[in-house]
Amino acid sequence: GQNIDQPTEMTATEGAIVQINCTYQTSGFNGLFWYQQHAGEAPTFLSYNVLDGLEEKGRFSSFLSRSKGYSYLLLKELQMKDSASYLCAPMDSNYQLIWGAGTKLIIKP
Amino acid sequence: IAGITQAPTSQILAAGRRMTLRCTQDMRHNAMYWYRQDLGLGLRLIHYSNTAGTTGKGEVPDGYSVSRANTDDFPLTLASAVPSQTSVYFCASSDSAEEGGYTFGSGTRLTVV
Repeated sequence: GQNIDQPTEMTATEGAIVQINCTYQTSGFNGLFWYQQHAGEAPTFLSYNVLDGLEEKGRFSSFLSRSKGYSYLLLKELQMKDSASYLCAPMDSNYQLIWGAGTKLIIKP
Repeated sequence: IAGITQAPTSQILAAGRRMTLRCTQDMRHNAMYWYRQDLGLGLRLIHYSNTAGTTGKGEVPDGYSVSRANTDDFPLTLASAVPSQTSVYFCASSDSAEEGGYTFGSGTRLTVV
């Protein structure tokens, strides 16, 4: 079957660094996406990894290891506006995104 | 219109009534999707369309139908609403099924009473 595993909730301090881990099992693999979703809003695209390694985009970086079925999202210099849910979504062999329940990130001053 | 527009924003619907959620995109994306999102659960795919004229069933299609008469529009119909269909519904589109990078509409909050 297809499965996504990420922590339900994490708490971090403003200005700090946080790493959100995701492990996945899919029928085939065509890359992995991370999305951010603020409460009551639609998900917005953050990153896409299709090859192993680290992709950096400003304060956000995403890492992928296909052999381990593992990815993480790294957020640096946390700001209060980063309080949101972060959704890990691998793409399966049918090019469909498989969605986890997401990690709710709470930023404290 | 810029991106994806969903209507209505929210709706309270009596059980047994028929309802169509509208979704329109102006990006000429081939693929479109309908998801529902319930508290504590991930996005669940209801139906999808890889290109105009074709549709497919997702993870939770029962009680819902879709059509894709043209590239821009992808309406979702609840033939006879039931309380378990209370949810937030998101429409999304992408350049192609392969490219991913979905763009989402702002969602429709539906309450069936």
